[in-house]
Amino acid sequence: GNSVTQMEGPVTLSEEAFLTINCTYTATGYPSLFWYVQYPGEGLQLLLKATKADDKGSNKGFEATYRKETTSFHLEKGSVQVSDSAVYFCALGHSGGYNKLIFGAGTRLAVHP
Amino acid sequence: EAGVTQFPSHSVIEKGQTVTLRCDPISGHDNLYWYRRVMGKEIKFLLHFVKESKQDESGMPNNRFLAERTGGTYSTLKVQPAELEDSGVYFCASSHRGGKWGEQFFGPGTRLTVL
Repeated sequence: GNSVTQMEGPVTLSEEAFLTINCTYTATGYPSLFWYVQYPGEGLQLLLKATKADDKGSNKGFEATYRKETTSFHLEKGSVQVSDSAVYFCALGHSGGYNKLIFGAGTRLAVHP
Repeated sequence: EAGVTQFPSHSVIEKGQTVTLRCDPISGHDNLYWYRRVMGKEIKFLLHFVKESKQDESGMPNNRFLAERTGGTYSTLKVQPAELEDSGVYFCASSHRGGKWGEQFFGPGTRLTVL
């Protein structure tokens, strides 16, 4: 079946540190991959996505590359800020655009000054 | 444009009681989804409406859960009777039929605690 595995948190970093949150997936066919972020007290927001192998999604300084050979979609940011503190969810979805998303367990990131 | 709203934000009930969660999607969004996150684990899909029809309800855990979307606008998720394992955060999401692939807009969630 389809599944997503994320590194366990929490991840605690100092401001301006480099961030990597690992995500690997198991899926049939050719899924699209997503990173969603949940800031405190808010709903999940789409952070970035990639719809085919070797695509790179990017937004707000975050990047993730769809690696089919390693079935991975790791999230990276070169210099984190306190405002990046949130829970990050990796997810996959299949064709049609309107079907369910399959999420990982989420990784909590805490950035301190 | 108002986002997805959910009510209540928190609910604490006793085992055996009934609870109804409500979701108001973004106006004009045909697709409405319910998800659940239990005890800090992964967010799991429950079901998907297209307008008032259930497109996919494969994630509904059992017949104690009943979802409706009368008139294709807001949706309710009723749990009757509630059990301890139903505790968690229930998220609602919506998307437009012609929207960006995979971009579902989520509400803040309802935190349900069953004692």
